[in-house]
Amino acid sequence: QVQLQESGPGLVKPSQTLSLTCTVSGGSISSGSHYWSWIRQPAGKGLEWIGRIYTTGSTYYNPSLKSRVSISVDTSKNQFFLKLTSMTAADTAVYYCARGGSSHPVDPWGQGTLVTVSS
Amino acid sequence: SYELTQPPSVSVSPGQTASITCSGNNLNKKYTYWYHQKPGQSPVLVIYDDNKRPSGIPERFSGANSGNTATLTISGIQAMDEGDYYCQVWDSSIVIFGGGTKVTVL
Repeated sequence: QVQLQESGPGLVKPSQTLSLTCTVSGGSISSGSHYWSWIRQPAGKGLEWIGRIYTTGSTYYNPSLKSRVSISVDTSKNQFFLKLTSMTAADTAVYYCARGGSSHPVDPWGQGTLVTVSS
Repeated sequence: SYELTQPPSVSVSPGQTASITCSGNNLNKKYTYWYHQKPGQSPVLVIYDDNKRPSGIPERFSGANSGNTATLTISGIQAMDEGDYYCQVWDSSIVIFGGGTKVTVL
């Protein structure tokens, strides 16, 4: 059974770049026709899809974040990554990684990691 | 951009039926997915492709999609079903989530 785990800094200063890693276990990130996504959720608010990547490296981003987002993958390590530049307080949220991102449900999800933007 | 609208909250007594709606333009032309999120936990898929249940999801969860509205129905609701429910679709290669509905079991 595939499981995902996010890792990265819990605190980021304003204007800095957030870097998160999602480690996939219980299966190969390259197996099946799966996409891999990042999603975030500010405290007390709803879910916002950030973007997705396929194991070939093909990406698609939410237009609202496209100018600041980069998602990459390392199939040898069974990991994919999120970079979000020019962080502000509005980017404070729980960040989730998940399998899915194109014509399939988003499932399963990682446990999420809280990222706070503060000086 | 495409939008999905959900009621902010639904309250229901234990054992009764809860219906959560998700509205969007020509929603029946798209597959709708439903997720359940308990406080402090990650969302869990409960319905996919409008009306299919993943393995392990109780039969009391069902879904339908007609016209501009998709509906998640929880029959014989239990206290463990409390939490937030989100609908989701694909539109122009983008994942779109509804705003979420908080379900309270009184």
